[in-house]
Amino acid sequence: QKEVEQNSGPLSVPEGAIASLNCTYSDRVSQSFFWYRQYSGKSPELIMSIYSNGDKEDGRFTAQLNKASQYVSLLIRDSQPSDSATYLCAVRFSSGSARQLTFGSGTQLTVLP
Amino acid sequence: NAGVTQTPKFQVLKTGQSMTLQCAQDMNHNSMYWYRQDPGMGLRLIYYSASEGTTDKGEVPNGYNVSRLNKREFSLRLESAAPSQTSVYFCASIGSSLETQYFGPGTRLLVL
Repeated sequence: QKEVEQNSGPLSVPEGAIASLNCTYSDRVSQSFFWYRQYSGKSPELIMSIYSNGDKEDGRFTAQLNKASQYVSLLIRDSQPSDSATYLCAVRFSSGSARQLTFGSGTQLTVLP
Repeated sequence: NAGVTQTPKFQVLKTGQSMTLQCAQDMNHNSMYWYRQDPGMGLRLIYYSASEGTTDKGEVPNGYNVSRLNKREFSLRLESAAPSQTSVYFCASIGSSLETQYFGPGTRLLVL
């Protein structure tokens, strides 16, 4: 069974620090990876995608992918209290439907003022 | 929740009752999805529809049925609700690429 694993947290960081969120997956040939932010009581919102090894930056967010080690991470620089949310990792496994994603259970992040 | 709407927002059912959750999108997306989210479990795919007229089972389809009524609408039906179906249900749609994916606001279902 294809799996996506995340540390559930909670992860607490002080305001202005770098928050590091990690995700591992079970299928070595997976190709598409996504990070979502979900505020309490709200729906998930796609914030980053990454498809090839290395780093991808978007504003304060950086996604990092290492296919050999089967992990993907999300770094949030200059963390703000408004970044406090649950962050979900999702993977499109290569053997699945082209548009079917498998989600991790999420990591709860709290940014302390 | 640009373009994806869900009704109802909240529902309480008794065991054995039936109900239909409605989802509609106005972004002309081909693909639509139903997920459930339980505490500590992340999002699990119930059913999806890659295009109008097609539906496929996801990870947890038992106890549910779906209908892709047209390109805009994708409904989820619980024929005989069970307490194990207490959850938050999210509908999502995806456009021409996986970069364009949006979730509805969710339906909170409590089965007593």
